[in-house]
Amino acid sequence: GAVVSQHPSWVICKSGTSVKIECRSLDFQATTMFWYRQFPKQSLMLMATSNEGSKATYEQGVEKDKFLINHASLTLSTLTVTSAHPEDSSFYICSAQGTSGRYEQYFGPGTRLTVT
Amino acid sequence: TQLLEQSPQFLSIQEGENLTVYCNSSSVFSSLQWYRQEPGEGPVLLVTVVTGGEVKKLKRLTFQFGDARKDSSLHITAAQPGDTGLYLCAGADYKLSFGAGTTVTVRA
Repeated sequence: GAVVSQHPSWVICKSGTSVKIECRSLDFQATTMFWYRQFPKQSLMLMATSNEGSKATYEQGVEKDKFLINHASLTLSTLTVTSAHPEDSSFYICSAQGTSGRYEQYFGPGTRLTVT
Repeated sequence: TQLLEQSPQFLSIQEGENLTVYCNSSSVFSSLQWYRQEPGEGPVLLVTVVTGGEVKKLKRLTFQFGDARKDSSLHITAAQPGDTGLYLCAGADYKLSFGAGTTVTVRA
């Protein structure tokens, strides 16, 4: 149980284009999902908290107009990187919060974004 | 400023040796979680500790939570190459606050 998928697993796009990444909880419903960014050999950096049916909450320093988050259902959240630039190249990971009441998060396999 | 400090940052040991990773927090969280991440993949939850003084065992892995619920340790006995990875501790309230991680390499 508690399986989270991400699609695509990797994507290469040209500078100035937009890229959408999907995060799905496959066997449980998640009212709360999270989006992280990770640079090589570093820890995870929380970008935003995504709540089903409401606006996402962004961490300080994260541009909400650049990283659009939509939590359309209890099993799907999407992150759209708009007008991507090479500095947006990174490993993006989503997670879904479990229902144990202990704030456990279950992570997707990540999406490697490369902007050329 | 990172709320959780992990040490050491890097650890390279021979197969069969033991290792310990430490996680110290400046705050008390609702729970503390340990994750393991392999390159190119998402973190996998290993354990959640909630109660001060708690000890949990997962095969060769032993997790301890300090009495004050501010520090934790992960001990691996007789490490194997399959234990190689990035170990992350995270303090959990509504969201997770991650430590910087410990990169463990177990050489065959």
